[in-house]
Amino acid sequence: QQKVQQSPESLTVSEGAMASLNCTFSDGTSDNFRWYRQHSGKGLEMLVSIFSDGEKEEGRFTAHLNRASLHVSLHIREPQPSDSAVYLCAVLNNYAQGLTFGLGTRVSVFP
Amino acid sequence: EAGVTQSPRYAVLQEGQAVSFWCDPISGHDTLYWYQQPRDQGPQLLVYFRDEAVIDNSQLPSDRFSAVRPKGTNSTLKIQSAKQGDTATYLCASSPGFNERLFFGHGTKLSVL
Repeated sequence: QQKVQQSPESLTVSEGAMASLNCTFSDGTSDNFRWYRQHSGKGLEMLVSIFSDGEKEEGRFTAHLNRASLHVSLHIREPQPSDSAVYLCAVLNNYAQGLTFGLGTRVSVFP
Repeated sequence: EAGVTQSPRYAVLQEGQAVSFWCDPISGHDTLYWYQQPRDQGPQLLVYFRDEAVIDNSQLPSDRFSAVRPKGTNSTLKIQSAKQGDTATYLCASSPGFNERLFFGHGTKLSVL
């Protein structure tokens, strides 16, 4: 069964500084990895979906996937206070259907 | 385009009571998912449908939870005899096809006292 772990649990960054989040997974055969954001009391918003090793950029959000290392990261360029939220890593399960989520990283951005 | 709509936004129950959650997916999305998200945890899939058919309900506690999508559009998730361990946010999501981009509703926050 796919296991997804995220680090750090929480992250505080200054507005404009780069924020980096990590996600490791146990089954490298999955072919799709996604990053979601969840503002307090809101639903999930997909930020980036990546299929191949390497980099995928969507605006200020960049995901890096390394299947051999069982690792996918998310980098937030020039974070703003409105980016303060919980960021969730999700791995698509090929055999069991649906997504497996990590526990999330709570990001706080201060002016 | 309207997003995924869920109601109610909040529910507070005593143990043993029943509750129903309702979800209206994005028009044209054939796949609908129900997730359970306990506090400070990631969402966990309970059940998902393609049109009116249940595709996977292996994580649904079948003795107390049930989910239907009779016309392949709106869906209802019901909990009979709620327990304190059911306290969580229940998220509905829809997608235009299986494992395509999921669009989530705001969720229903359930507290069982």
